[in-house]
Amino acid sequence: EVQLVESGGGLVQPGGSLRLSCAASGFTFRTYGMTWVRQAPGKGLEWVASIKDDGSVKYYMDSVKGRFTISRDNAKNSLYLQMNSLRGEDTAVYHCARDKGGSSEDWGQGTLVTVSS
Amino acid sequence: AVRMTQSPSSFSASTGNRVTITCRASQDISSYLAWYQQKPGRAPKLLIYLASTLQSGVPSRFSGSGSGTDFTLTISYLQSEDFATYYCQQYYSYPRTFGQGTKVEIK
Repeated sequence: EVQLVESGGGLVQPGGSLRLSCAASGFTFRTYGMTWVRQAPGKGLEWVASIKDDGSVKYYMDSVKGRFTISRDNAKNSLYLQMNSLRGEDTAVYHCARDKGGSSEDWGQGTLVTVSS
Repeated sequence: AVRMTQSPSSFSASTGNRVTITCRASQDISSYLAWYQQKPGRAPKLLIYLASTLQSGVPSRFSGSGSGTDFTLTISYLQSEDFATYYCQQYYSYPRTFGQGTKVEIK
């Protein structure tokens, strides 16, 4: 059974940093691209970043470029999202997801990031 | 970025109804479109990918069609467990973009 478990969310002040983690199990992690998607309270889904299976290529939404970094450790079956210079508009539940040819086949339950003073 | 526009944004329906949700892309995305279902407090669930391919385990009452810029998700016989919010997403190009969602409520 595929499992994706996010952690690392919490309350942070504007301008602060957080590192989200996603622990993957139940599949051969190193052979799948991975994605982060977020959802602000009461709002829709928003794609944030994706990374290829070997970590060689990364894509970001414009508003997080230069602030967020997606990475992975295939030896640890883990995906990460380093978030710096956080803003109020980054407040959301962050989900990690396993890619299926570009769509997202399996999702974690998410971790809540709240940016507020 | 490709803009995805869903319609309607919400509607009410009864169990047993046939319902259709539409999704329009601002440019040609071929068939690189997915549909997701999300219930309150839950993670999204992939229903359909490549515009019309049913994800494993998804009931056959769900179907998708379209290519290019215009797509539809159809639920042939609405069940109580289908009341949820539905999102389309294009993955033809980065940034991947979602529609704003369509909430299906009980009449």
